Amino acid sequence: DQQVKQNSPSLSVQEGRISILNCDYTNSMFDYFLWYKKYPAEGPTFLISISSIKDKNEDGRFTVFLNKSAKHLSLHIVPSQPGDSAVYFCAAFQGAQKLVFGQGTRLTINP
Amino acid sequence: DAGVIQSPRHEVTEMGQEVTLRCKPISGHDYLFWYRQTMMRGLELLIYFNNNVPIDDSGMPEDRFSAKMPNASFSTLKIQPSEPRDSAVYFCASRDSSYEQYFGPGTRLTVT
Repeated sequence: DQQVKQNSPSLSVQEGRISILNCDYTNSMFDYFLWYKKYPAEGPTFLISISSIKDKNEDGRFTVFLNKSAKHLSLHIVPSQPGDSAVYFCAAFQGAQKLVFGQGTRLTINP
Repeated sequence: DAGVIQSPRHEVTEMGQEVTLRCKPISGHDYLFWYRQTMMRGLELLIYFNNNVPIDDSGMPEDRFSAKMPNASFSTLKIQPSEPRDSAVYFCASRDSSYEQYFGPGTRLTVT
């Protein structure tokens, strides 16, 4: 049972435009959410996080939005840059111990 | 700090052989995680340790898989015997009491 779902396996966006990556979860007990970015042949690296007591967290070009009632979060990247091309994983904390990851979305930024 | 270190980076082996993957976590981190990445299931948690003690191994696919953490600076994931369906990228990650996990570069395993 996939508790964290990223329904779009891939997304293509033009450079300079906004990239929106979506993530849905099923477990209402999740209380902390993270986004990781992964380049080929490297491990995932932490990008941005949000606590369930907030609905928005911003860090430069990256903003994460959380809608608890819909069990949905999204990552906005604006403006998108070629270096943003990577696989993005959404993850949720369960019991403050382990992370549950989504399947990932491959983002491609076109020049 | 050098980050999480994994070896080997690539492993090609024949079906039935034993495979051992190695991980050195970041010094001072008391949690260590083993993940497997596949196209179908994304990043799956296999097992994690806290203070060298296995806490949750519910993600280990079957008895062919085993993991150990003999001390705070070293962990192994062993597959015996290996099968072609075990082919994947295996990641090790570590963290301290904060939420952020740091991942190693991964081991790409190919079982023929």
